[in-house]
Amino acid sequence: EPEVTQTPSHQVTQMGQEVILRCVPISNHLYFYWYRQILGQKVEFLVSFYNNEISEKSEIFDDQFSVERPDGSNFTLKIRSTKLEDSAMYFCASSEGTSVVGQYFGPGTRLTVT
Amino acid sequence: AQSVTQLGSHVSVSEGALVLLRCNYSSSVPPYLFWYVQYPNQGLQLLLKYTSAATLVKGINGFEAEFKKSETSFHLTKPSAHMSDAAEYFCAVSEIGGNEKLTFGTGTRLTIIP
Repeated sequence: EPEVTQTPSHQVTQMGQEVILRCVPISNHLYFYWYRQILGQKVEFLVSFYNNEISEKSEIFDDQFSVERPDGSNFTLKIRSTKLEDSAMYFCASSEGTSVVGQYFGPGTRLTVT
Repeated sequence: AQSVTQLGSHVSVSEGALVLLRCNYSSSVPPYLFWYVQYPNQGLQLLLKYTSAATLVKGINGFEAEFKKSETSFHLTKPSAHMSDAAEYFCAVSEIGGNEKLTFGTGTRLTIIP
């Protein structure tokens, strides 16, 4: 069964450094998303992406964040200058886009900012 | 704005007993509702979804949920709990469709007592 994959599974970085989290969505999916889950809290929406542009973003997704689909398979989330409060599990998701089939999530990248 | 409330952050049931996880939603338009399960150190797996086709929705692993508009509820049930059901369960709502952002509840951790 097709699945969303994410790399790395765990990333440790120092405050102020740039990080890029990578995702490979399901191949025929058209909508892509990033969510995050701070330890012990609920899953929060960050951004959605369709047709090579951001379709919606949350208040969390400020100028320090950016997304890109550099080729036909990868979808990346970049945090330009990480803060301690960016430490969280980041989930990538994708959906088919043709009907209400739901979003399929990857296993997540645990980002630890020290 | 859409939201979901999950009553009970922790639920414990005996193996073989009924599982009932509660979810109430708030939405200004007919909602699309989802249940996701998160096993330890894994991503979110789609259990089932309500898309207005039928009020009783069957999902994977023997779970089902009933949409009750009058009660604004979408509770998750399973007739007989299995040890492998131990996980965190998240209810989520999307107002327009499965391609729009998901708003998650705070989650319910299900423990199965042998």
